[in-house]
Order: sequence, then structure tokens, then C-alpha cells
Amino acid sequence: DAGVTQSPTHLIKTRGQQVTLRCSPKSGHDTVSWYQQALGQGPQFIFQYYEEEERQRGNFPDRFSGHQFPNYSSELNVNALLLGDSALYLCASSLDGNEQYFGPGTRLTVT
Amino acid sequence: AQSVAQPEDQVNVAEGNPLTVKCTYSVSGNPYLFWYVQYPNRGLQFLLKYITGDNLVKGSYGFEAEFNKSQTSFHLKKPSALVSDSALYFCAVNSGGYQKVTFGTGTKLQVIP
Repeated sequence: DAGVTQSPTHLIKTRGQQVTLRCSPKSGHDTVSWYQQALGQGPQFIFQYYEEEERQRGNFPDRFSGHQFPNYSSELNVNALLLGDSALYLCASSLDGNEQYFGPGTRLTVT
Repeated sequence: AQSVAQPEDQVNVAEGNPLTVKCTYSVSGNPYLFWYVQYPNRGLQFLLKYITGDNLVKGSYGFEAEFNKSQTSFHLKKPSALVSDSALYFCAVNSGGYQKVTFGTGTKLQVIP
């Protein structure tokens, strides 16, 4: 049974560019959450998708947007990248909303 | 607003000794509490959770955690530490269901051979 997968593993972008990160949830899971983990910090909740709609959102600007597809996979889009957006982006999936399974993350570097 | 505090940035313990990683929380309603472990350049791995029931929760790799409602704490414990337990540990909380999860800042556990 494949766990949560994310792509790409690493990404380098320039300020002002746009980026799309992808996530495939664990088999049988219908909910996907995205987190930003800055160096030396705990994960910060960005948003959660369920039934192709954003259900919950953390304190992130509108530059951060997402999408969930009918197969439950998800994308995180970040527009107008800032240096401060450099972080590890984690995707987590769950079925009952209580126990989340995390992917390995995408390391985004903005130069 | 909900929050998690992990008061120790780092905990050092000798191999074979018991370990404790501290966590206190604040949340409206009944807490749903979690511990995760993160190895370098990896995602988070689920260790254990408390939703209801016994205050002592057993999880993966011999870890356990004790829920204390009066002290709003959920400390992670292990009777005998292994060098391979060295990693970053995160405590997390939400108010259940599909509510957003709030993580602490993490505690680095160093087990010394």
C-alpha cells in the first residue's frame, strides 16, 4: 500500500515566480491537508481539502491556493513567490480527520 | 485559538535510560492529541494519539504518552531509549474531527550511546 507521495522532491524558484506542488494521498484517504515547515519550526497549517473543496484554511495569504481532484490527489499553488516562502511543504492525508499520514515533503527554495 | 507548547528545544538522554519529552496544550473543548517524529529531511511519522479513554496511550516503537487533563499536558515517554530514537519530536492538538491541527515547535531528542 503506497503511502502519501509528493512531487517534486526539491524545487528552486526565483522571486515573483509561481510554483505548483503535488500530492497523492494514502490509498483510501479522502482528505488532504497542506503544511509549511520553515527551518527549525513546526509545521504550519495552510489549508485542507475534502470533496474537492477547501474546508479549512490557516493564516496564509491568498497567494497560496490549492485544488483537489476527483481521485483525491491535490495541488498546492503559490504565486508571486517571496524569499520567505522557502520551506519544506508537507502534504498529509487522512480518512477520519484524526490521524494524518504525512508525505516526505517538497523542499522549496526561493532565490 | 488552540496552541501547543514544547518547553524544551532539546532533550539529551543516555541510551537505556527512560526518556520524557514534554508537551502542554490549550484548546477549546475536548482535545485530540498527537505525537509525531521527524527524521532529517523526512516527513512526519505518526507515533500515537489520544482521543478518549485511558490516560496512558501506547504507540509505535515502544513510545507511550500520558494525558493529564488537569495539567493540560501530554508528555511522551519511553522506558528505555535507543540511539535510533534520536530525532525531532512534535506534539500536536486539535478539537477533533476535521478541525485544523496545530503543532508545537518541536523537541530534538539526542540519545547518547
